[in-house]
Amino acid sequence: KQEVTQIPAALSVPEGENLVLNCSFTDSAIYNLQWFRQDPGKGLTSLLLIQSSQREQTSGRLNASLDKSSGRSTLYIAASQPGDSATYLCAVPTDKLIFGTGTRLQVFP
Amino acid sequence: EAQVTQNPRYLITVTGKKLTVTCSQNMNHEYMSWYRQDPGLGLRQIYYSMNVEVTDKGDVPEGYKVSRKEKRNFPLILESPSPNQTSLYFCASSLVGMNTEAFFGQGTRLTVV
Repeated sequence: KQEVTQIPAALSVPEGENLVLNCSFTDSAIYNLQWFRQDPGKGLTSLLLIQSSQREQTSGRLNASLDKSSGRSTLYIAASQPGDSATYLCAVPTDKLIFGTGTRLQVFP
Repeated sequence: EAQVTQNPRYLITVTGKKLTVTCSQNMNHEYMSWYRQDPGLGLRQIYYSMNVEVTDKGDVPEGYKVSRKEKRNFPLILESPSPNQTSLYFCASSLVGMNTEAFFGQGTRLTVV
């Protein structure tokens, strides 16, 4: 059974720092991995999707990597801003999306 | 703009009063699903649909119904809501199955009193 975990659970950093959020999954036979952002009480916004054949995917200040063999993905946020404050979720598909536990990020000015 | 639209965004209702939460997508996606999100339990799938007239149970289907009569719409029906269905609900769609990128609606916060 696929299980997805994320560390750290919460992170508070000053503006401008570069961040790494971690996502681990137990079954390496995945098709892809998707990173989402969720603002409090709001919907999930898709940030990046990495196919199983890819090692990295970039969008603006975000870079996601995938290492299937070790069951890990990282989301790198460069030059963090207060507007990046949100909960970040990773998810892998089976017959449904299996979500990680989330990392709550706060970036303060 | 490609999007998944849910309505209403907020709903307060009383126990036993039937309600429907609508979901519509404009991306011609085949796969649609409903999730609920609860503190400490994360996101759990309620129902999903692989295509028109094809629906199946997710992890927590009790107390819910769905229908998929048109490709773009996937309403969630609570025939007799109870307080334990108070939650944040999300509709999602993807092109074909969950192996393609998923897009989520903005959520419906439901309170059953």
